[in-house]
Amino acid sequence: EDKVVQSPLSLVVHEGDTVTLNCSYEVTNFRSLLWYKQEKKAPTFLFMLTSSGIEKKSGRLSSILDKKELFSILNITATQTGDSAVYLCAVGIWNNDMRFGAGTRLTVKP
Amino acid sequence: DTAVSQTPKYLVTQMGNDKSIKCEQNLGHDTMYWYKQDSKKFLKIMFSYNNKELIINETVPNRFSPKSPDKAHLNLHINSLELGDSAVYFCASSPGHSVEAFFGQGTRLTVV
Repeated sequence: EDKVVQSPLSLVVHEGDTVTLNCSYEVTNFRSLLWYKQEKKAPTFLFMLTSSGIEKKSGRLSSILDKKELFSILNITATQTGDSAVYLCAVGIWNNDMRFGAGTRLTVKP
Repeated sequence: DTAVSQTPKYLVTQMGNDKSIKCEQNLGHDTMYWYKQDSKKFLKIMFSYNNKELIINETVPNRFSPKSPDKAHLNLHINSLELGDSAVYFCASSPGHSVEAFFGQGTRLTVV
């Protein structure tokens, strides 16, 4: 059975802190790993990773994939209150299907 | 312009009723999906349509039926609603060559 496990499940930090969110997976027919940010409503796309060891960066967010150890991390530096959200990891498998993790709820306090 | 739009945003209904949720995307994507997000925030795929053909059908009760009149629309019909159907339902779409999905704003369904 395909599994996507995120840790921690929740995290509370203060503005300016750096956080690392983890995602490990066991799936058949891996195609890609995706990170989404979900605030109140729709998940919004952050990154898609397909190759090991290549960091993707967008502002204060970055992510990297390790296909040998089957995990990915999402880093957020200099956190702001607007980063408070649930961060979802999803693994794309065959036929455009995706398996989501349970998410990490990040709370950034002023 | 809204890329993936679904209606209604909120739906409160009684057990046993039949309801529909509509979804439209204007991105020209080939694949559309329905996801269910339960109270624990777990997103699970329900259906996927690619060029009007159902290609994924997870172990979803047959009370749920997707209907796609054309490539830009994927509606979800639910018959004989049960309390356990209460959740947020998300529609999404992706280009045929990629799993990067764009989500609608969700429909919060409450069955009372």
